[in-house]
Amino acid sequence: NAGVTQTPKFQVLKTGQSMTLQCAQDMNHEYMSWYRQDPGMGLRLIHYSVGAGITDQGEVPNGYNVSRSTTEDFPLRLLSAAPSQTSVYFCASWYIRGTEAFFGQGTRLTVV
Amino acid sequence: GQQVMQIPQYQHVQEGEDFTTYCNSSTTLSNIQWYKQRPGGHPVFLIQLVKSGEVKKQKRLTFQFGEAKKNSSLHITATQTTDVGTYFCAGVSGAGSYQLTFGKGTKLSVIP
Repeated sequence: NAGVTQTPKFQVLKTGQSMTLQCAQDMNHEYMSWYRQDPGMGLRLIHYSVGAGITDQGEVPNGYNVSRSTTEDFPLRLLSAAPSQTSVYFCASWYIRGTEAFFGQGTRLTVV
Repeated sequence: GQQVMQIPQYQHVQEGEDFTTYCNSSTTLSNIQWYKQRPGGHPVFLIQLVKSGEVKKQKRLTFQFGEAKKNSSLHITATQTTDVGTYFCAGVSGAGSYQLTFGKGTKLSVIP
């Protein structure tokens, strides 16, 4: 099993550029989330989804969009990159509420 | 919204010493999970606690869930260099919540 796959692993963007971080899972998990990790801030929830076609905002959603057209994929879109979005991004999925979350390897994003 | 606080933020111990990290939630949790993140890695699930007052052990690791289901702790006995990393607690609140809210983590350094 591949588990949760994130691409790319590293990315450098210029301020104002847009891009999509990809996340795919092959475990048929209903729940998927995006977190960003900054030094001393832990993991902060950006957006989450409880199934195909259903998404909602987390703690820090501004500047990001998501969609969930299939169970497997949950891409995160940066609309107009800003230096404040420099961070490590993790995608996570889990089967049902209250079960173990599986994380991708992360995407390290730098906005210059 | 739900907040999960974790202390200490950093802990440096000599190899062989014990280590404890504490987690407190602003709301009653339905369950709490613990994750470990090695330097440069992604969070990996360690354990989940569900019952009030529950205690679980994994070799040198002991996990506790408070009677009121608002606090938890992770204790490592006789730390080893392989224990280095950041330990996160993550809470799931009551019925209807699909969010996994993480504490900011405790970064453990072990001095050989």
